[in-house]
Amino acid sequence: EAGVAQSPRYKIIEKRQSVAFWCNPISGHATLYWYQQILGQGPKLLIQFQNNGVVDDSQLPKDRFSAERLKGVDSTLKIQPAKLEDSAVYLCASSLGNSRETQYFGPGTRLLVL
Amino acid sequence: KNQVEQSPQSLIILEGKNCTLQCNYTVSPFSNLRWYKQDTGRGPVSLTIMTFSENTKSNGRYTATLDADTKQSSLHITASQLSDSASYICVVSDILTGGGNKLTFGTGTQLKVEL
Repeated sequence: EAGVAQSPRYKIIEKRQSVAFWCNPISGHATLYWYQQILGQGPKLLIQFQNNGVVDDSQLPKDRFSAERLKGVDSTLKIQPAKLEDSAVYLCASSLGNSRETQYFGPGTRLLVL
Repeated sequence: KNQVEQSPQSLIILEGKNCTLQCNYTVSPFSNLRWYKQDTGRGPVSLTIMTFSENTKSNGRYTATLDADTKQSSLHITASQLSDSASYICVVSDILTGGGNKLTFGTGTQLKVEL
């Protein structure tokens, strides 16, 4: 079974630039999550999708972050404009049903904002 | 506010030795507790999951325990190997109104196994 795919794996941008990350969840998984993991900390949930609907985006900085999952499969997370404090690893995860079930994580995208 | 605290923050042990990692939580109402292993540069991978009624769960050389009364969990690693070097994250799930769950992540224990 293929795992969760993410791209790019690494990205370096300057502050105020825009960046987008892509995630392809495990086939058949209805729920998709985006997490931000700052160095030395545990992951923080940014947004959770159930199919193509948003379940929880309470911790998403909506003034600069946006995410979509148009067809209920792939998802993109965008930051516009980026700030220095956005430097982190952005993890995508998916689960078969809701968050009661095991989440499978992708390798993450490491973002460095200069 | 739901919180998950892990200790120690970091740990260095010799190959072949055992170790125990701790997790204390204040998440309520409790649904389940998971331990994840995160290798450097990789996403977390689930090791164990325990519900309220379970007090121990094993996965090979990893054994997790749960005391729901004291809201504590531990992860015991037996006969450590170099490949056990990783961050171990405790994740506690609560029960939201409407049937959903919200996960609270600990900051992890960074384990290094040396020769």
